[in-house]
Amino acid sequence: SQQGEEDPQALSIQEGENATMNCSYKTSINNLQWYRQNSGRGLVHLILIRSNEREKHSGRLRVTLDTSKKSSSLLITASRAADTASYFCATPNNDMRFGAGTRLTVKP
Amino acid sequence: EAGVTQSPTHLIKTRGQQATLRCSPISGHTSVYWYQQALGLGLQFLLWYDEGEERNRGNFPPRFSGRQFPNYSSELNVNALELEDSALYLCASSLGLAGSETQYFGPGTRLLVL
Repeated sequence: SQQGEEDPQALSIQEGENATMNCSYKTSINNLQWYRQNSGRGLVHLILIRSNEREKHSGRLRVTLDTSKKSSSLLITASRAADTASYFCATPNNDMRFGAGTRLTVKP
Repeated sequence: EAGVTQSPTHLIKTRGQQATLRCSPISGHTSVYWYQQALGLGLQFLLWYDEGEERNRGNFPPRFSGRQFPNYSSELNVNALELEDSALYLCASSLGLAGSETQYFGPGTRLLVL
């Protein structure tokens, strides 16, 4: 069964705009991770946020975590066409449960 | 440092046959995970191996099995292939630590069952 659920399922924006994706999960966690998948390829780890952290930055990425609401958000600022990909949140629980992903399209 | 490698990149089989997929983790990683990703869908957890032992298994039938070798590489075997087994199979490795750390993914094996 899926643990994380991303929202929206698909997002289309213009280059330069910001993109926000949300993730909800069901059980308590030690950390939450975001991954990117370019079309039909392996996943690339983007960022890990621990349960005692509320916000984390990495370059143009900003991740927030609200453990009371069991939710996280990923913000990509100043998006580029190369950011076009699917984005997944994942929560470890003796394995790694991934959501269905948000398909982001950035139009040049 | 070499990343996670998987072979073959593509595999075509017919219904009822067996498929064997291989994965080599990043050097120093003891955990290997297998996932199935059907077209346009999210990742479904299949199996987790650590230090040669199966640590956890997803909701898949017993015809999906695997093993981890002493050098930490891993095989995924799918017996009695069905059409719906067609998918991208992804392998990932991590340092173990109870499955809570970052996973590093290989490029995947695309299996097509005809």
